[in-house]
Amino acid sequence: AQSVTQPDIHITVSEGASLELRCNYSYGATPYLFWYVQSPGQGLQLLLKYFSGDTLVQGIKGFEAEFKRSQSSFNLRKPSVHWSDAAEYFCAVAPMFSGGYNKLIFGAGTRLAVHP
Amino acid sequence: DTAVSQTPKYLVTQMGNDKSIKCEQNLGHDTMYWYKQDSKKFLKIMFSYNNKELIINETVPNRFSPKSPDKAHLNLHINSLELGDSAVYFCASSQGDRGTDTQYFGPGTRLTVL
Repeated sequence: AQSVTQPDIHITVSEGASLELRCNYSYGATPYLFWYVQSPGQGLQLLLKYFSGDTLVQGIKGFEAEFKRSQSSFNLRKPSVHWSDAAEYFCAVAPMFSGGYNKLIFGAGTRLAVHP
Repeated sequence: DTAVSQTPKYLVTQMGNDKSIKCEQNLGHDTMYWYKQDSKKFLKIMFSYNNKELIINETVPNRFSPKSPDKAHLNLHINSLELGDSAVYFCASSQGDRGTDTQYFGPGTRLTVL
């Protein structure tokens, strides 16, 4: 069965520190990969996505993610965290093959807290 | 200019009642979705419509009935509400129904069943 694992439920970093949020997926083939962010009381906003090509993708707000096929991972990174980055981060996959429809499968999320 | 909007934002009701949540998108997208986020923040798809046709129907109690009067709207009606229906319900839309079509989410409707 398709699944997405985000091993870290909570992460706390200091403002200005670097950040890496982990995401692993289980799927028959390489799916499409996404990172979404949910600020408190808000909907989900797409940070970045990977379909094919360069395995390092750039997103909004200074985030990037690297796809590693051998590890079935799609980790999210940011070199210097800002207090406004405190939020819930969701990794998600969608089926690549036609007929699979656009059904996002989400991980459980990682809550990021930022210390001043 | 809200791309995907939902009403109401909050909904508090008693067990056994029937309620509806409305969703509208002004992005000109063909596909719309309903997701449920439970108390542990876990998000799961419930339904998806493409051009007003139901294309995804996950294992959801038949008390939940989506309705799409046109491509820009997807409403969710819930009959005989139960305590376990308490959650945040998110509407989303995408241009098409393929995995490459990015989904845009609404702000959510927090449903509390007492």
